[in-house]
Amino acid sequence: DAKTTQPPSMDCAEGRAANLPCNHSTISGNEYVYWYRQIHSQGPQYIIHGLKNNETNEMASLIITEDRKSSTLILPHATLRDTAVYYCIVRVGAGANNLFFGTGTRLTVIP
Amino acid sequence: GAGVSQSPRYKVTKRGQDVALRCDPISGHVSLYWYRQALGQGPEFLTYFNYEAQQDKSGLPNDRFSAERPEGSISTLTIQRTEQRDSAMYRCASSLGGADTQYFGPGTRLTVL
Repeated sequence: DAKTTQPPSMDCAEGRAANLPCNHSTISGNEYVYWYRQIHSQGPQYIIHGLKNNETNEMASLIITEDRKSSTLILPHATLRDTAVYYCIVRVGAGANNLFFGTGTRLTVIP
Repeated sequence: GAGVSQSPRYKVTKRGQDVALRCDPISGHVSLYWYRQALGQGPEFLTYFNYEAQQDKSGLPNDRFSAERPEGSISTLTIQRTEQRDSAMYRCASSLGGADTQYFGPGTRLTVL
């Protein structure tokens, strides 16, 4: 799996949009971008994933650049409960089954 | 529905003892994964199963670690002759199929004294 680069930490004001960037410049054509988050010591929680089109679900939006070398996870209205470590993972759609988490971005939502 | 469950949630053992950690995946999920997470780090892959077959054990650190899933459902990760460096959070995940989204359990915190 291709590796990803994320800033180690970010702050966001409560109620504002949180935009978390991820670089994956060596991504291959069949590799998906996955986002998970981990709140405190809980198990990683799946957020969203995409291949090349932008995706949106009830938790977040995922914007993938046209060249697929970077992406942004958007939490539209951050709450205090969104404080967590966010992991951007690049994964082959089929075949390579383990997730490589890296160190992620620690997002702190400030009241 | 019920998510992935793991037991025990906490395990304290003395160096040299064997431990068995259990994972109960989401019902119907074919694939099951074990990860280990050190404090301040992301989870690291250990091994994974499709049904009862162990497909990849490349992440197991040494031969003291083994895993099984005899009936294609519940899995057990066994660590023999535990050492202090084995202390970590052990996490299990399952997915419908090998290429599908993985859902994680709450983990087992292992402390080796």
